[in-house]
Amino acid sequence: AQSVAQPEDQVNVAEGNPLTVKCTYSVSGNPYLFWYVQYPNRGLQFLLKYITGDNLVKGSYGFEAEFNKSQTSFHLKKPSALVSDSALYFCAVRDSTSSASKIIFGSGTRLSIRP
Amino acid sequence: GAGVSQSPSNKVTEKGKDVELRCDPISGHTALYWYRQSLGQGLEFLIYFQGNSAPDKSGLPSDRFSAERTGGSVSTLTIQRTQQEDSAVYLCASSARLAGGQNEQFFGPGTRLTVL
Repeated sequence: AQSVAQPEDQVNVAEGNPLTVKCTYSVSGNPYLFWYVQYPNRGLQFLLKYITGDNLVKGSYGFEAEFNKSQTSFHLKKPSALVSDSALYFCAVRDSTSSASKIIFGSGTRLSIRP
Repeated sequence: GAGVSQSPSNKVTEKGKDVELRCDPISGHTALYWYRQSLGQGLEFLIYFQGNSAPDKSGLPSDRFSAERTGGSVSTLTIQRTQQEDSAVYLCASSARLAGGQNEQFFGPGTRLTVL
């Protein structure tokens, strides 16, 4: 069985500071990992994904995420937070070794950037 | 349009009534998902369609929930005898399914269901 955990319900960061949103996963095989963002009153948008290759993945809006196989983590990061980054962030995982596997989402982390 | 569309955008119904929610995926996308999101919380997986394969219904919360996908395109989620706890935003997503399922999902705007 596959699962994904976002241990923090809320992350608060001052504008201009670096931010990290944590995600850990569990799959039987190799993972495909995704981050999505949901702005207030808007639909979910894809940010970035890890499939294979470089452990550091760069995505939209200056976000990046680092795949760490030994720690089974895929934390989302940004060097300098903006107030406009305030939103709900979701990590998702799929088991790449099962053709029938579905994408499972974490419970979400609400990111709040204060001016 | 180029994106995933859902209808209606809002649905208010009385307890005990049946409702149908519709999803039009992006043309050519073979994978289609339904999720439920309550009050800005996490996404609860409901059902997954992939091409002509049997759907993965493992997330449907009760036998009052069912979904179908006709012709590999449009999908309808049906909730029978609605209950107040069914109130949520129902999200549909589609993706192009290359070998291995590497592709990200594209989400629709959702249908906000309120059961009185």
